[in-house]
Amino acid sequence: EADIYQTPRYLVIGTGKKITLECSQTMGHDKMYWYQQDPGMELHLIHYSYGVNSTEKGDLSSESTVSRIRTEHFPLTLESARPSHTSQYLCATRDSATTGELFFGEGSRLTVL
Amino acid sequence: GDSVTQMEGPVTLSEEAFLTINCTYTATGYPSLFWYVQYPGEGLQLLLKATKADDKGSNKGFEATYRKETTSFHLEKGSVQVSDSAVYFCALSDRGGSNYKLTFGKGTLLTVNP
Repeated sequence: EADIYQTPRYLVIGTGKKITLECSQTMGHDKMYWYQQDPGMELHLIHYSYGVNSTEKGDLSSESTVSRIRTEHFPLTLESARPSHTSQYLCATRDSATTGELFFGEGSRLTVL
Repeated sequence: GDSVTQMEGPVTLSEEAFLTINCTYTATGYPSLFWYVQYPGEGLQLLLKATKADDKGSNKGFEATYRKETTSFHLEKGSVQVSDSAVYFCALSDRGGSNYKLTFGKGTLLTVNP
C-alpha cells in the first residue's frame, strides 16, 4: 500500500494568487499523476510523470504546471488562480511492477474566490 | 480510444438491499479492470480488480467478474450497508506502451438509507 500525502487538504484563496499543491509519496513509485475532479465527480487527468525530469500533459487541458525534480515529490502550481480553477485535485502514484492500479492521496480541495 | 461507461446515478437503496452497478468498456487488447470507491471527503481507494477474462475480483462483500464476451465488469453486493454510501468508479488500465494510464468512468453515487 502506498503512502501518499497531499497538502493542503483545503485552500481558499483570492483571484490572482499563486498557489502550489504538494504531493509526496514514500514508496518510490516512478509514475505519478494529477487528476482534477469536478463537482459532478468525473475525473480528468491533467498531468503525469514517468520519473524524475519527466512531465506530460494529460487528457484535459489545464493552466497549471508541474515539476518532478525528485521521485518523491510532484507539486502542481497555478501562477494566477481564477474561480474556474475551483475544484478537487487528486494526486496518484503507480508502481511499475503492478497491474496498473493507482494509489491516491486524499485530495486538495481548492476554492478560488 | 479506450472508454468506460458506467451506470449513472444517483442510486439510493435501503440497507440490506442488493446492489448492481453496471460497467462496460471499450479497449484494444486486454486491459486490467478496476473498481475504485471514494468516501465523502477522501481520495479514491482500490476496491477490487481483475486482470484477465473470467477473473472475479472481490473485497468487502463486493464482487465483479471480467466478462470479455460482453466487455463488462459489473459491480455487485448482496446486502449493502449504510457505510457503503460512496461514489464508485469503474476503470481500465491501458497496457499500450509503458504509459499505463487509467481510464475512469464518470462515477456512480450510492446512498444507502437505514
